Amino acid sequence: AQRVTQPEKLLSVFKGAPVELKCNYSYSGSPELFWYVQYSRQRLQLLLRHISRESIKGFTADLNKGETSFHLKKPFAQEEDSAMYYCALRSTSGTYKYIFGTGTRLKVLA
Amino acid sequence: SQTIHQWPATLVQPVGSPLSLECTVEGTSNPNLYWYRQAAGRGLQLLFYSVGIGQISSEVPQNLSASRPQDRQFILSSKKLLLSDSGFYLCAWSVLDRGFEMNTEAFFGQGTRLTVV
Repeated sequence: AQRVTQPEKLLSVFKGAPVELKCNYSYSGSPELFWYVQYSRQRLQLLLRHISRESIKGFTADLNKGETSFHLKKPFAQEEDSAMYYCALRSTSGTYKYIFGTGTRLKVLA
Repeated sequence: SQTIHQWPATLVQPVGSPLSLECTVEGTSNPNLYWYRQAAGRGLQLLFYSVGIGQISSEVPQNLSASRPQDRQFILSSKKLLLSDSGFYLCAWSVLDRGFEMNTEAFFGQGTRLTVV
């Protein structure tokens, strides 16, 4: 069964500190993995996707198939990074379902 | 460009009343369509998804149903609302996989806050 797990509901860090938001997945195959972000009073939007191996707003995420993880990292947190972050998995065959984790609220303290 | 419209933005309904939330997509054809419920501590729960007109898959047993009468229209319904149906409902779309994996981003509507009283 497809599943996305984000173990932390809330993560508080000080400005300038490193950030790591954890995501583990369960999928029998090669999934597509994404991170979405929701800033206050804004729509949920894509932050980055594993296949493009990009860095967006200083965030990166590496797919580790051995550990079935896709953790989101940023070396130096900024106050404007405070938001709700969701890890998502999209199946790559048949249904193309989009499954999201429970989300992690990141608070960056001044 | 593609846009997604979801309405109403807020809704207060009495227990036992019917529900109809509508979502439409513009600027694309044959999208995958999704209904989610967003709740604190439970994240985004996939309720229904559709890969084509009249094709609906239900993810969780519940008091809700979905329909797709047109290619770019997705409706979430209930015949009789329960208190537990209160929540924030999100509609989303993504393209079908046509071999271009960069195009599989999901685009979300602004959501509907439903309060059942």
